[in-house]
Amino acid sequence: NAGVTQTPKFRILKIGQSMTLQCTQDMNHNYMYWYRQDPGMGLKLIYYSVGAGITDKGEVPNGYNVSRSTTEDFPLRLELAAPSQTSVYFCASSAGGTQETQYFGPGTRLLVL
Amino acid sequence: QKEVEQNSGPLSVPEGAIASLNCTYSDRGSQSFFWYRQYSGKSPELIMFIYSNGDKEDGRFTAQLNKASQYVSLLIRDSQPSDSATYLCAGAYFGNEKLTFGTGTRLTIIP
Repeated sequence: NAGVTQTPKFRILKIGQSMTLQCTQDMNHNYMYWYRQDPGMGLKLIYYSVGAGITDKGEVPNGYNVSRSTTEDFPLRLELAAPSQTSVYFCASSAGGTQETQYFGPGTRLLVL
Repeated sequence: QKEVEQNSGPLSVPEGAIASLNCTYSDRGSQSFFWYRQYSGKSPELIMFIYSNGDKEDGRFTAQLNKASQYVSLLIRDSQPSDSATYLCAGAYFGNEKLTFGTGTRLTIIP
């Protein structure tokens, strides 16, 4: 039981490049979330999903896209990377809404130069 | 705009003492609160959650909620060096899928 896994662990992008951050969970959770954490800051919600085929915006969705074709996977797409997207990205999942524990993946550190 | 505020610290506490971490929130509609611990370079992990006014205890940890004052706290008794981490407070509405996180308080336990 791996929990929530994320790839890659670290990536350097050039301005204008695109990439997809992968997130997979093996706990059969319906709810999945993408957060970003800037240095010394808390977590900001980018997008979330309450089930396969259903996604919604969080606080800071601009510059990102998501899809949820399966229960297990919730990839985050960055189009036209900008230095402001330099951050650590965490994926999380839970069995229900906020009344259930959110389990976090190990994170992806992204540097845009 | 729902906000959750924390003192960023750092908060230094001697080993064996009680560490007190505080959090205030602006939205009276917030119903549930969560404390996450995050070690440097690692992902957050849930320590405790609290829904009702009063205290909730779990081992060395006690969460306190005062809805009238819009105030949440986390007490860590018999602090250990392994408690040194950043502690994130988060709030949510019942039935809402989203958490609002504070910026976190960095706690250092001094041996």
